[in-house]
Amino acid sequence: EVQLVESGGGLVQPGGSLRLSCVASELSFTNNHWMSWVRQAPGKGLEWLANIKQDGSETHYVDSVRGRFTISRDNAKNSVYLQMSSLRAEDTAVYFCARVRGNYNILEYWGQGTLVTVSS
Amino acid sequence: EVVLTQSPATLSLSPGERATLSCRASQSISTYLAWYQQKPGQAPRLLIYDASSRATGIPARFSGSGSGTDFTLTISGLESEDFATYYCQQRGTFGGGTKVEIK
Repeated sequence: EVQLVESGGGLVQPGGSLRLSCVASELSFTNNHWMSWVRQAPGKGLEWLANIKQDGSETHYVDSVRGRFTISRDNAKNSVYLQMSSLRAEDTAVYFCARVRGNYNILEYWGQGTLVTVSS
Repeated sequence: EVVLTQSPATLSLSPGERATLSCRASQSISTYLAWYQQKPGQAPRLLIYDASSRATGIPARFSGSGSGTDFTLTISGLESEDFATYYCQQRGTFGGGTKVEIK
């Protein structure tokens, strides 16, 4: 079974930065698809954050992270990244990557998530 | 920006009963709606896309309907593994979720 595996989460101080990675266990599982990042604060619902086109030429962000977070990808490494900066306490959440089906951000396959805690 | 409102927030039912979950959009979204199931400590799982198409491997007891602004996810005959939280989604927006709990 093909998997998406996130990593890079951890404890970071307010104002700090962190880079999350999402790697597919099978070659080319993600290369021909848009990819998204979604997060879930403790005890809360899902919040879509960003997505990126197959070749990386187009990206979209939710307002709450635009200018602070950057999504990128390296298809040669079957990887998608989320660079997070100027982190705030309210960014504390489990962060999921997901492979997108089609052109309407349908999140078909999900990783298991990585926890980011922003605290001093 | 579309706002998705799910109701009820919590649904208390017994195994074998029928569950009907609602998702209302603040403006017409045609049939561009997906439903996800999430269990505690797990990632969400895609159930339904394009309002009524079941994702790969999803049992037939899950069905979706609706178009425009009003959508429904129906679980016909709840099984123990179906007790979970369900979210609707359109592009970059998720609904607040409906928790289906055991009565």
